[in-house]
Amino acid sequence: QVQLVQSGAEVRKPGASVKVSCEASGNTFTSYYMHWLRQAPGQGLEWMGVISPSGGSTTSAQRFQGRVTMASDTSTSTVYMELSSLRSEDTAVYYCAGGYGYNIDHWGQGTLLTVSS
Amino acid sequence: DIQMTQSPSSLSASVGDRVTITCRASEDIGNFLAWFQQKPGRAPKSLIYAASSLQSGVPSKFSGSGSGTDFSLTISSLQPEDFATYYCHHYNSFPLTFGGGTKVEI
Repeated sequence: QVQLVQSGAEVRKPGASVKVSCEASGNTFTSYYMHWLRQAPGQGLEWMGVISPSGGSTTSAQRFQGRVTMASDTSTSTVYMELSSLRSEDTAVYYCAGGYGYNIDHWGQGTLLTVSS
Repeated sequence: DIQMTQSPSSLSASVGDRVTITCRASEDIGNFLAWFQQKPGRAPKSLIYAASSLQSGVPSKFSGSGSGTDFSLTISSLQPEDFATYYCHHYNSFPLTFGGGTKVEI
């Protein structure tokens, strides 16, 4: 059974950056596309981007281009998402989620990011 | 971007009821449609992929159908643990986009 375990809650000031990690269990890491999504308080899901199984290719949503960086470390089966130039509207729960294709089969537990001065 | 429209946005039901939620895509997405369930304060749980295939471990009371632009999720007999918000999303192309959710409540 695949498990995705994310790093803990973060608090940042406006203008700062945050890096969230997501560690995958099992032998799926090298086959999984890993997505990053977020959910603002009381809102629906918003897709941010995806990194390919090898980590060699990333695609991000247009509204996050230039602010989001995704990377993977195959030695630790961990993917990372860094979001820069934070503003209050970035306060949300951030999820990693993975699947063998572009679909999402499994979700991480979520990481709460609070952006506040 | 492909727009996903879910209806209804909420519904009231009772234990044992059969409920159906619909999802419409703004363009043909084939069968690249998935459904997931989310309970308050919890991470989403994937239920269905490829419009009608059950994820491993998901009970057969959940079923999905449709192709092209019109899709539906049916829960055959609601149980207390099924009261949650349900979302559809497409994965036909990037960006993935999501329906607005359907809250199923008593």
